[in-house]
Amino acid sequence: QKEVEQDPGPLSVPEGAIVSLNCTYSNSAFQYFMWYRQYSRKGPELLMYTYSSGNKEDGRFTAQVDKSSKYISLFIRDSQPSDSATYLCAMVSSGSARQLTFGSGTQLTVLP
Amino acid sequence: DTEVTQTPKHLVMGMTNKKSLKCEQHMGHRAMYWYKQKAKKPPELMFVYSYEKLSINESVPSRFSPECPNSSLLNLHLHALQPEDSALYLCASSQDWDRGTDTQYFGPGTRLTVL
Repeated sequence: QKEVEQDPGPLSVPEGAIVSLNCTYSNSAFQYFMWYRQYSRKGPELLMYTYSSGNKEDGRFTAQVDKSSKYISLFIRDSQPSDSATYLCAMVSSGSARQLTFGSGTQLTVLP
Repeated sequence: DTEVTQTPKHLVMGMTNKKSLKCEQHMGHRAMYWYKQKAKKPPELMFVYSYEKLSINESVPSRFSPECPNSSLLNLHLHALQPEDSALYLCASSQDWDRGTDTQYFGPGTRLTVL
């Protein structure tokens, strides 16, 4: 079983839709959670960083963490064609293993 | 400014060539990373440098040789690569490796093709 499971997609939605991207994890030592956006043939770009259960909002993006269920989500409101990219969740533990553990990525296409 | 720069953007090399990838950051970060990313896969960690010293080598073949000349620069020297080494090579940096929780900022990557 992978430490981090991410819905692989691909996901295709119409412009203006609300998008929900999800990851589950098995390692309870993960305490810090990130979402990266990666456009085709580019490096990952940090979107959201959070470490506590609950919601964190930044513009059209909301990151949600539920540590009791080991589940994180990224919501995109009023999705735009420019949001079309691969979204990667990533996690870091509070212990000695400090490497980022990535999900496999979800490819999102927002249709105009 | 959260910019990590990488050169070249694209590189094509033969299996007998020697080439180098370069990464630079001017954010004062003391941790720098090399990742390898194959198509439709997440980045895989290769090396971590902390305060210019190699902290992590994820069992990477010796045909990949990292170097950290100073706190702003990171190189990856390539020699006798195989076609399966073709990938996007990403550099990242963060404030401090020892804290572990610092955000990593990625560069745009070098797309490497080995013929």
